[in-house]
Amino acid sequence: GENVEQHPSTLSVQEGDSAVIKCTYSDSASNYFPWYKQELGKGPQLIIDIRSNVGEKKDQRIAVTLNKTAKHFSLHITETQPEDSAVYFCAASKGGNYQLIWGAGTKLIIKP
Amino acid sequence: NAGVTQTPKFRVLKTGQSMTLLCAQDMNHEYMYWYRQDPGMGLRLIHYSVGEGTTAKGEVPDGYNVSRLKKQNFLLGLESAAPSQTSVYFCASSDSAAREAQYFGPGTRLLVL
Repeated sequence: GENVEQHPSTLSVQEGDSAVIKCTYSDSASNYFPWYKQELGKGPQLIIDIRSNVGEKKDQRIAVTLNKTAKHFSLHITETQPEDSAVYFCAASKGGNYQLIWGAGTKLIIKP
Repeated sequence: NAGVTQTPKFRVLKTGQSMTLLCAQDMNHEYMYWYRQDPGMGLRLIHYSVGEGTTAKGEVPDGYNVSRLKKQNFLLGLESAAPSQTSVYFCASSDSAAREAQYFGPGTRLLVL
């Protein structure tokens, strides 16, 4: 079955710097790749997603890139701010039964 | 518009006890899901439903049962709780038009002693 690996498990960056989180997936049939942000004590919140027919998608300070050949996708956050501190999860889906396979999460720490 | 709500927020059970977790959504979503979240393991799908009256097994269904009698509610039951079911449980829902975009509730923290 599908497996999603996420790296790093913890990422500490200076406020204002950029952060990059990477995920790899195993099933080449996967065609939908969302990123979720989870703040302490809350449920995950969808922040950006990308489909397999697109290589890159941007939304203000966040962007996601997809390399189908290498089967990996990345989340990029520019000009990081204290409110970006959270756990970020990637996921992958083949559609059909609507199941998402999740990465283990990355704890992002923004240092003032 | 409350989105997805879950009750209770926290519960302590003894081994062998039973309980039901309630999830409610007011977005008229067709699809609903139950996940468990354990440290270092991301989220794992327990059961899901693609519509009122339907349910299906996810990745880790053993020890859990679900029911979707009303479109807005999705119940998760533990018939005989075990310490291995200590976890944070999240409910989510998604729209039929954009079904992969899931909206999550705030979670239920369950401790089984």
